[in-house]
Amino acid sequence: DTGVSQNPRHKITKRGQNVTFRCDPISEHNRLYWYRQTLGQGPEFLTYFQNEAQLEKSRLLSDRFSAERPKGSFSTLEIQRTEQGDSAMYLCASSRRGDDSQETQYFGPGTRLLVL
Amino acid sequence: AQSVTQLGSHVSVSEGALVLLRCNYSSSVPPYLFWYVQYPNQGLQLLLKYTTGATLVKGINGFEAEFKKSETSFHLTKPSAHMSDAAEYFCAVSRSGSARQLTFGSGTQLTVLP
Repeated sequence: DTGVSQNPRHKITKRGQNVTFRCDPISEHNRLYWYRQTLGQGPEFLTYFQNEAQLEKSRLLSDRFSAERPKGSFSTLEIQRTEQGDSAMYLCASSRRGDDSQETQYFGPGTRLLVL
Repeated sequence: AQSVTQLGSHVSVSEGALVLLRCNYSSSVPPYLFWYVQYPNQGLQLLLKYTTGATLVKGINGFEAEFKKSETSFHLTKPSAHMSDAAEYFCAVSRSGSARQLTFGSGTQLTVLP
């Protein structure tokens, strides 16, 4: 396994601009998760895909956020009309669907977003 | 709903000393419990997890944790700290039967002093 990869690793944008992040999960992992981590806090769940279907969304995921996983492989997270409060680390994780007690989420290195 | 409380946002220990990082959880159903470690500019790495069975769980790098239902705790320990253990540690909980949505604590930064 090559691990979960995320691009870009860092993004600086101006308030009001749109940004898109990409996550490539571990191959053959059919579950993919997005989390947001702000400074001094633990990650907070945003959304979850099983294959291409988005099965769970947090209330944190406002209308300005949209996530896709069109072919059940990589995923994108887009933030429209960014606000300074969107500044955070966006983490992606993937797992292989199986026995719940055996399932482990593997995390990528994250994309750090700074909104000026 | 689940929640996690990590007591002590910063913990300092001397190299070779015992490491004890505290985690208490709240869950309305039997939980799955996890400890992750995060090194600077890296993603989270799973140290260990409890799902069912033996309540003392051993993980990587000499860490272990014990699930105590009566105390709703899942504290992380290591008998002898190493400089390379310096990192941020996160406790997380999910619903049993659903390892999908993890709820994390706010983290504990571990400093190891020479």
